[in-house]
Amino acid sequence: ETAVFQTPNYHVTQVGNEVSFNCKQTLGHDTMYWYKQDSKKLLKIMFSYNNKQLIVNETVPRRFSPQSSDKAHLNLRIKSVEPEDSAVYLCASSAGTVSDYTFGSGTRLLVI
Amino acid sequence: GEQVEQRPPHLSVREGDSAVITCTYTDPNSYYFFWYKQEPGASLQLLMKVFSSTEINEGQGFTVLLNKKDKRLSLNLTAAHPGDSAAYFCAVSASSGSWQLIFGSGTQLTVMP
Repeated sequence: ETAVFQTPNYHVTQVGNEVSFNCKQTLGHDTMYWYKQDSKKLLKIMFSYNNKQLIVNETVPRRFSPQSSDKAHLNLRIKSVEPEDSAVYLCASSAGTVSDYTFGSGTRLLVI
Repeated sequence: GEQVEQRPPHLSVREGDSAVITCTYTDPNSYYFFWYKQEPGASLQLLMKVFSSTEINEGQGFTVLLNKKDKRLSLNLTAAHPGDSAAYFCAVSASSGSWQLIFGSGTQLTVMP
């Protein structure tokens, strides 16, 4: 099956902890993305990355960082979570144009 | 940068009625447009992607209209049924080359039997 796979589906953690979310795509795409969907369901880009360039939304706090081992994987690390990080994090990929954008099923983070 | 405004934030219709959701955008160079459906607890389901060269696109039970002159994108569910109840999002591709999508703020649609 070709798709974008995210793990875990759901994660609960305490303020100050470090968390890491995984994303893998088997579509052969060369660009991957992380989006955040907040409690009001607003969706915003956090990062876009291909093997040449990382583009960061300047509003993303420094405690967030993407980590990639190859073009099929783009993980998201949060160094020290805060309550406002509670959200759904959506991973996506594309083949260099947006016409074939594909989203994963999302990781729901709850910070207590 | 690109800004996308989506209206209305909430919409209630009766089964069989039509439901119209509209997005306006600011960047005249935007050229890919998307409509997504999101059911509770689920991810984004692509309904339709529209290229700037096509103004009317028909899907299963809905029509998407693109008016480039007014920079307006609309989704028209022609005969809504309770299974259409969900959040709907428009998205526009940025023309900056970063391939990010700029999303509207969403419309929560409720279809009453």
